[in-house]
Amino acid sequence: QVQLQESGPGLVKPSQTLSLTCTVSGGSINRGSYYWSWIRQPAGKGPEWIGHIYTTGSTSYNPSLKSRVAISVDTSRNQFSLDLSSVTAADTAVYYCAREGEWLLSSMEGSAMVTNYYYGMDVWGQGTTVTVSS
Amino acid sequence: DIQMTQSPSSLSASVGDSVTITCRASQSISRFLNWYQQKPGMAPKLLIHAASHLQSGVPSRFSGSGSGTDFTLTISSLEPEDFATYYCQQSYSIRTFGQGTRVEIK
Repeated sequence: QVQLQESGPGLVKPSQTLSLTCTVSGGSINRGSYYWSWIRQPAGKGPEWIGHIYTTGSTSYNPSLKSRVAISVDTSRNQFSLDLSSVTAADTAVYYCAREGEWLLSSMEGSAMVTNYYYGMDVWGQGTTVTVSS
Repeated sequence: DIQMTQSPSSLSASVGDSVTITCRASQSISRFLNWYQQKPGMAPKLLIHAASHLQSGVPSRFSGSGSGTDFTLTISSLEPEDFATYYCQQSYSIRTFGQGTRVEIK
């Protein structure tokens, strides 16, 4: 059973770069069709998707963070990583890594049968709290 | 970005009650809609993917429906462990979450 574990500093100074790593155990990171994602959640608020990397290495980012975010993968270590630059107090949150699973499903839409790949975050790490403060 | 709006933001219910949470997308997302449950101090847990498909291991009292812009999550008979916060999330494009619905004990 695949498990994810976040690691990295719990305290980052303003203007510096927040760097986190997610270690995947119980399965290979480059086996299967998965997105490997980062999500954050400020205290008392809902989750915010940061971005993800596909097994091919292609990435997609939240437009509100895109200029400051980089997600990379190290298949030799079975890890993927998040770098968030120029942090401020607004970046203080619990940071989660997650696997986005893929399902091929068919359904009727009107009179037509439609088949699509659907995605959902089916495996999560426990989360790590990152505080931005001097 | 596609905005996801949940209602209500919170509700109070008793064990055994049936509850329904709604989620509305700012544009059509077909059936690219997931539901998560989150308990305090824990990561979210995927309950339903593709609007109505129950994730493996999730009790059948949870069900989802909808397509296009309007979706619902129904818990048919609340159990004590169901008191939590529920989020919808779209996977049609850049992922976005709803603001959450807190289900509290009456």
